[in-house]
Amino acid sequence: ETGVTQSPTHLIKTRGQQVTLRCSSQSGHNTVSWYQQALGQGPQFIFQYYREEENGRGNFPPRFSGLQFPNYSSELNVNALELDDSALYLCASSSLAGVGANVLTFGAGSRLTVL
Amino acid sequence: QQQVKQSPQSLIVQKGGISIINCAYENTAFDYFPWYQQFPGKGPALLIAIRPDVSEKKEGRFTISFNKSAKQFSLHIMDSQPGDSATYFCAASILTGGGNKLTFGTGTQLKVEL
Repeated sequence: ETGVTQSPTHLIKTRGQQVTLRCSSQSGHNTVSWYQQALGQGPQFIFQYYREEENGRGNFPPRFSGLQFPNYSSELNVNALELDDSALYLCASSSLAGVGANVLTFGAGSRLTVL
Repeated sequence: QQQVKQSPQSLIVQKGGISIINCAYENTAFDYFPWYQQFPGKGPALLIAIRPDVSEKKEGRFTISFNKSAKQFSLHIMDSQPGDSATYFCAASILTGGGNKLTFGTGTQLKVEL
């Protein structure tokens, strides 16, 4: 059984650029969530995807967008990067039913630095 | 608006001691309260979780105490070990709405000294 894998692990962008982060969910999981973790803070919920549709969104502007693919992998896209977007972006997968339903399994994250 | 408040921000405990981390929440609709452990360079990992219909849950050296009327819950780590040194996050969510969208506390950095 593989866990949640994220890529890239680290990246540096400049203000105004766009970034795409990728996530492969754990085998058997059909739901993907994205969280932003600023340095020294707890993760903040960005959005969740289920059956390729957004299933809940936190307090993040529309320049944060996402996709979920038929194989349950996911992308997080951020446009018009701002300095405050510098953070660790965490992907978490889960299933909505069955054994272990709603237990989130997190990846190690993608560390984004915006200069 | 911070819906889950966590304290202390950092904690130093001697090996074999008891580590206690406290959290308070505001939204009475929350019905799932997990604790996550995060090591440097890793994502958070579920440690233990509780639903509001019980006041305590114990798994090995880890215990959650839950006080619904006070809207507070805490993590107790018995016989703390150096390997427990990590950042701990409490969280809360509403499971009945479908999916699990966690609201996290700000974290407690625990150091267990020999």
